[in-house]
Amino acid sequence: KQEVTQIPAALSVPEGENLVLNCSFTDSAIYNLQWFRQDPGKGLTSLLLIQSSQREQTSGRLNASLDKSSGRSTLYIAASQPGDSATYLCAVRPNTGNQFYFGTGTSLTVIP
Amino acid sequence: EAQVTQNPRYLITVTGKKLTVTCSQNMNHEYMSWYRQDPGLGLRQIYYSMNVEVTDKGDVPEGYKVSRKEKRNFPLILESPSPNQTSLYFCASSLRYPASGVNNEQFFGPGTRLTVL
Repeated sequence: KQEVTQIPAALSVPEGENLVLNCSFTDSAIYNLQWFRQDPGKGLTSLLLIQSSQREQTSGRLNASLDKSSGRSTLYIAASQPGDSATYLCAVRPNTGNQFYFGTGTSLTVIP
Repeated sequence: EAQVTQNPRYLITVTGKKLTVTCSQNMNHEYMSWYRQDPGLGLRQIYYSMNVEVTDKGDVPEGYKVSRKEKRNFPLILESPSPNQTSLYFCASSLRYPASGVNNEQFFGPGTRLTVL
C-alpha cells in the first residue's frame, strides 16, 4: 500500500521568503501526483497536477517537481505572501488500482 | 461553472439515526470518491466509483454505503452513525482513470462537517 509523508507538519516563514514543501511516497509506480491547498474549514483547491511522465509543472509563483525514482515531490513557492497561509496537501494516484493516497499536509504560515 | 456540490454542509445528528450526504458534479466525470478527514490522519478514502453502478471500497469503508445510479450523483449513506464517524467529509470527482493523455485531476466539493452525538 502506498504511503505518503509530508514533512514538516508545520512551517512558519516571514513574508517574501522562497520556500519548499516536501512530499515523499513509498511506491514509485505512480500515475500522477497532485498538490492541493486547503484553507481552514474549507475544501481542497487543486494547485498543480504532475503526470508520471513529467518532471515539473509551474503555475504563477508555484513550481512542483517530481522525482519518481526517489519517491519525492517538492512544491516551491516563490516570494511568499500572507495569503499563501494554508495547509498544503499532496496526493498520489498509483499506476494500478483506483485509489488515491494523501499525505497529512504541511501547515504553512507566512508572517507579514 | 464546473463544480462538485455537497449537501448538507453541516450536520449534527445522534447515534443510530440514518443519514445521507449528497454529492453531485456537473463535469460529466466518470470517477467519483468519498473521503473523510481527521486531525493527524489526513484524508482517507472511504469509497469510490469508476462509473455508473460500479463502486468499490477504499481504505475505511466500514459503516458507510454508497450508490451510483446516475453519473452525476454519488451519495454517501450512514445507516447507523456512531460517534467515531464524526469527521469532515469530502466528495471528489475526476475524468476516468487511467486515461493516457487526459488531465484527470481531482476536483473537490466544499466538505460536510458531520457530528454524531
